[in-house]
Amino acid sequence: NAGVMQNPRHLVRRRGQEARLRCSPVKGHSHVYWYRQLPEEGLKFMVYLQKENIIDESGMPKERFSAEFPKEGPSILRIQQVVRGDSAAYFCASSLGLGLHQETQYFGPGTRLLVL
Amino acid sequence: RKEVEQDPGPFNVPEGATVAFNCTYSNSASQSFFWYRQDCRKEPKLLMSVYSSGNEDGRFTAQLNRASQYISLLIRDSKLSDSATYLCVVIDYNTDKLIFGTGTRLQVFP
Repeated sequence: NAGVMQNPRHLVRRRGQEARLRCSPVKGHSHVYWYRQLPEEGLKFMVYLQKENIIDESGMPKERFSAEFPKEGPSILRIQQVVRGDSAAYFCASSLGLGLHQETQYFGPGTRLLVL
Repeated sequence: RKEVEQDPGPFNVPEGATVAFNCTYSNSASQSFFWYRQDCRKEPKLLMSVYSSGNEDGRFTAQLNRASQYISLLIRDSKLSDSATYLCVVIDYNTDKLIFGTGTRLQVFP
């Protein structure tokens, strides 16, 4: 009974390269959320997805960042042309998707991105 | 002004002590409140929900004051294993988003 899985756990990229972060939600969960945590800061919402749909991407930078949650396979957060300021921990969370405001989100272990 | 504000700490307390954290939120549309715990370099984990009537879970008590827009967490009889960062989280029903505070760091020493 696996929880949310994220890989890789650690990712090192040079400036200008692309970073792909993957998230497999809890089995049976249809909603996925991505958060970013900069050093010494709280988690910041980035994007909320259902299968094949972006529901809310208001927290995502307009350029270089994209997210998808295909019908099959994990959710992907993609960062193109990474810069040093992208270095952070990226957490994925999933929920059942029953439309309840208090629905619990279960967090994955995060991917720590370091841009050199 | 941040939507959710917390004293970053650290709070250094001896084992057995009682410690309290406060958190204030700015959006009166906030309707659901939680405390999460985050260990160093790990993911946040839900500690407890916070209800208007207050709620208790073992050594942990959470309170909500809607009029003053603050939430508190009280930990009694602190254990070494309580050392972590405690995150205050609110849900804005208008946006359905979790809004995290930056966390309060607790260090319990022997």
